[in-house]
Amino acid sequence: EIVMTQSPATLSVSPGERATLSCRASQSVGINLAWYQHKPGQAPRLLIYGASTRATGIPARFSGSGSGTEFTLTISSLQSEDFALYYCQQYNNWPPYNFGQGTKLEIK
Amino acid sequence: EVQLVQSGAELKKPGESLKISCQASGYTFTSSWIGWVRQVPGKGLEWLGIIYPADSGIKHGPSLQGRVTISADKSTSTAYLHWSSLEASDSGIYYCVRHLGRIQVGAIDVWGGGTTVTVSS
Repeated sequence: EIVMTQSPATLSVSPGERATLSCRASQSVGINLAWYQHKPGQAPRLLIYGASTRATGIPARFSGSGSGTEFTLTISSLQSEDFALYYCQQYNNWPPYNFGQGTKLEIK
Repeated sequence: EVQLVQSGAELKKPGESLKISCQASGYTFTSSWIGWVRQVPGKGLEWLGIIYPADSGIKHGPSLQGRVTISADKSTSTAYLHWSSLEASDSGIYYCVRHLGRIQVGAIDVWGGGTTVTVSS
């Protein structure tokens, strides 16, 4: 089973600044890595798949990079609506298609 | 528009059975993997398992063994998650999800609104 580890657990950033979230896999997942945004009371939303491809309707300020075991989600200029929980998920090796434990992005 | 509409919240006692549902619309039900992700309050997301309705192929995680099963009804475009005997640890929010891809399972591109399951004596 592949273990996904996200860091940091909580990230405090001011609006307008850049946020960088990390995700590490315990073994290579190639580029089969997705990022999701999750706000309280809502269903999660797909942001990035294939490690770097933005999903439909996702603003260009969201970008993903990495391959193998190290991945990064960057939000270039934080907007108020971006403060939320973020999860990475690998879909290269089953079972299961594990999520990371999440990074909470909060307003500084 | 692709939609996954889930059944309502459930309050059950330990030992009872339960079946929650997810009706899909806006796409060909048999052409995508559909399944379930759980959120435990205060914790993260747990991928449970998926089914390919065209041939009922199933991929499941370690949590979905024995007393918990996934199924799908092609005639109604509905996926189900069924417990034969609930435990308190089954409490949580269950999201119905659709995965991209067919032969190679991809990311989750559509999420249902969630079904809250509470198991308490």
